[in-house]
Amino acid sequence: GESVGLHLPTLSVQEGDNSIINCAYSNSASDYFIWYKQESGKGPQFIIDIRSNMDKRQGQRVTVLLNKTVKHLSLQIAATQPGDSAVYFCADVGNQFYFGTGTSLTVIP
Amino acid sequence: DTGVSQDPRHKITKRGQNVTFRCDPISEHNRLYWYRQTLGQGPEFLTYFQNEAQLEKSRLLSDRFSAERPKGSFSTLEIQRTEQGDSAMYLCASSLDGGNQPQHFGDGTRLSIL
Repeated sequence: GESVGLHLPTLSVQEGDNSIINCAYSNSASDYFIWYKQESGKGPQFIIDIRSNMDKRQGQRVTVLLNKTVKHLSLQIAATQPGDSAVYFCADVGNQFYFGTGTSLTVIP
Repeated sequence: DTGVSQDPRHKITKRGQNVTFRCDPISEHNRLYWYRQTLGQGPEFLTYFQNEAQLEKSRLLSDRFSAERPKGSFSTLEIQRTEQGDSAMYLCASSLDGGNQPQHFGDGTRLSIL
């Protein structure tokens, strides 16, 4: 079936380094993706979105890259801070409502 | 605060009891979604509404589950005859109408079945 998944369940980075979280999707018709951040005990928080007519989108300290050829997207966090520690999900919400399992990001002070 | 609000935040009940959760979406959002999330997993889609119309239901939504949005504003999710496997976080999200609009989530209701 269709799916959205992440390459790594956990990621540890040193404070100040850049983080890259990857996500693969299988539905070639998918046209809208969102990255969410979820802290313990809270609901997912919208970070950034990207539509299929774009390859790259930048926000504050975050960049999302979309490669439609290989059906892959990534979230890059610049100068990672302790407050960035959370679980990150990519979601295919254009045609379906699929969330990946999530990558748990731990920032080491 | 004008975000998505869910009530209660926590619910503990005995197996076999009925429970009802409430979600108040962002006021101008026409669409409202329910998800279930278990530990270590991403949210799983249950159902969504456009205004008061329930447009899609997941196969996860068994006949013990019912969701309503009678006036197109707040929504309720009821689980009848709860089972151990119903223990999870129940998340509500809302979005504007139209294609490809971001969903904004509440902080969920955590259900624990004893």
